[in-house]
Parts: sequence; structure tokens; C-alpha cells
Amino acid sequence: GENVEQHPSTLSVQEGDSAVIKCTYSDSASNYFPWYKQELGKGPQLIIDIRSNVGEKKDQRIAVTLNKTAKHFSLHITETQPEDSAVYFCAVPLLGGGADGLTFGKGTHLIIQP
Amino acid sequence: KAGVTQTPRYLIKTRGQQVTLSCSPISGHRSVSWYQQTPGQGLQFLFEYFSETQRNKGNFPGRFSGRQFSNSRSEMNVSTLELGDSALYLCASSQRTGGTGELFFGEGSRLTVL
Repeated sequence: GENVEQHPSTLSVQEGDSAVIKCTYSDSASNYFPWYKQELGKGPQLIIDIRSNVGEKKDQRIAVTLNKTAKHFSLHITETQPEDSAVYFCAVPLLGGGADGLTFGKGTHLIIQP
Repeated sequence: KAGVTQTPRYLIKTRGQQVTLSCSPISGHRSVSWYQQTPGQGLQFLFEYFSETQRNKGNFPGRFSGRQFSNSRSEMNVSTLELGDSALYLCASSQRTGGTGELFFGEGSRLTVL
């Protein structure tokens, strides 16, 4: 099955600085790359996604970049704020996208230091 | 529009018992998937249902089962509970199938097995 590795497991940055989280995947057929944010006591929530026909996508302070050749994609958060503190998960579709369901990375605990 | 509703939110069981968890998807969503979240293994896919049919199943023993009703509500059951089944069980619904649509998660059912 699909394998997703996510790094780092914990990331601490000063408020206002940028944060970058990276994921690598194994199935070259993967065509959809979402990022989810999970706040304490809540379920994960989609914050941004990218499809394999583009290399980068931005939404205000967050962006995702995709390198299909190297099979990795990254989440970039600029001008970090206290409300960005959460656990972030990357994911790829099971079976390369043949059925609903995702394989998630192990998560990155992002800590924003005031 | 109401979000994904999971019941119960918290429950405690003893080894050998069984448990049934319920999930009501967002109105109009026909796809429901279930995930197990633990500190050690992260988010792991259990199964996915669409129009009352199981479309995909993760690598879990047969003690884990589920079903979906005609109104898209779903239940999952775990029989002969083990200590290692203690986890947060998350349900997610989506509008589209094919593994490339946004998943909307509930807040989860936290199961503790003693």
C-alpha cells in the first residue's frame, strides 16, 4: 500500500516566522495531495490541497508545493500566528486515488512561540 | 448546515466487550469513512462506505466491522475489545468518491478499553 513519511514530528517557530513541513510518498500514481490541520479536541480539517497537474498552490499565508519527480510535497506557512499551533497531517489517496480514503503521515506538532 | 456528528463522544469498556459507534454525515454526503487515531500509529484508515456498500477496507482484523444505512448514516463495531483498541475513532464524510475529495471529519468517539 501507499507509504507517506512526514517530517519533522515537532516544529517550534517564533511567531511571525515561517514554518515548513515536508512529506514524501511512494506511489507514483498518487494525484491528490491534501493537508489537514487538527486542533486539540477536534477532528482534522482540510486547509489546502493540490492536484498533480500543478506545482504550487497558495491560499493567503499557506502554500503547498509538489515535486512529482521526487515524490514529495511540502506545506509552507508564512507569518505564523498563535492560532496556527496545531497538528498538521499530509495525506495521499489510497490506491493512488481509486477509492475514497486517505493514507496520512504521522503528523507534525507545530508550536508557535510568542 | 450541520457537520458530521459522532456518538458517543466518550466511552469506557472492558476487554472482551464489544462497542458500536455511530456517525451521521453532512446532509447530502454519501461517502463515509472511518479512521482510528492513536499516538503511536497516527491516523489509520479503517473502511469506507458509499451507498451502503463497503468500497475499501484498511489493514485491521475482522473484529472491526461497519455498515452504512440508506440515509448514509454509518456505524462501526468492534468486537472482543483489546487494550490496544483504545483510540479516538474518527468518522469523515465527503461529497465525492474516488479519493480526491475533501473529507469532513467529526470530533470523534474516544474509546478507552480497561
